Amino acid sequence: SQQGEEDPQALSIQEGENATMNCSYKTSINNLQWYRQNSGRGLVHLILIRSNEREKHSGRLRVTLDTSKKSSSLLITASRAADTASYFCATEGGSYIPTFGRGTSLIVHP
Amino acid sequence: EAQVTQNPRYLITVTGKKLTVTCSQNMNHEYMSWYRQDPGLGLRQIYYSMNVEVTDKGDVPEGYKVSRKEKRNFPLILESPSPNQTSLYFCASSCSGDTWNEQFFGPGTRLTVL
Repeated sequence: SQQGEEDPQALSIQEGENATMNCSYKTSINNLQWYRQNSGRGLVHLILIRSNEREKHSGRLRVTLDTSKKSSSLLITASRAADTASYFCATEGGSYIPTFGRGTSLIVHP
Repeated sequence: EAQVTQNPRYLITVTGKKLTVTCSQNMNHEYMSWYRQDPGLGLRQIYYSMNVEVTDKGDVPEGYKVSRKEKRNFPLILESPSPNQTSLYFCASSCSGDTWNEQFFGPGTRLTVL
């Protein structure tokens, strides 16, 4: 199955700064989703972008999708300490077997 | 409150002792799935179910069984657990559709097999 890979693996920023993380995948997809996971807890869905969309916003989140480069980015603007978490992208190409990346660990220092 | 529940949350067991991890959702979702999460490997899907009595293998089904007798429940069964099944397990559910949709995750079950 295709694989999403997040980059960077870890990101450390100050409160108020923007955080950008990227996801690359290998084969064609129907949609790409971003999830957040606080330490040891279940994943929380953040945003879904379909293969025919290029950009999507939700509050302080902005997601882009470039299917020609097989990549997506998640931008968190004006970060807060509460944004500290791991962020995962997940892709699915019609098989209903999604592939999650290994995640980006974000630390936002107050 | 819309939620996915899992039980138990923590389990320590020994090799070969059959166990079941329960999963229940109250959102009337058709699609349910099980994942395991291991350090450095991300989440990997074990099994999924598109509806009652319809289940299929995910990426890592070996050593696991599932059943879907009711829409709300999707238990994960380890007939003969082994130490390599020590992991953090998540159940998830979503609406069905023409594509894979937003997943709602349970809180996780941390399993240790000695």
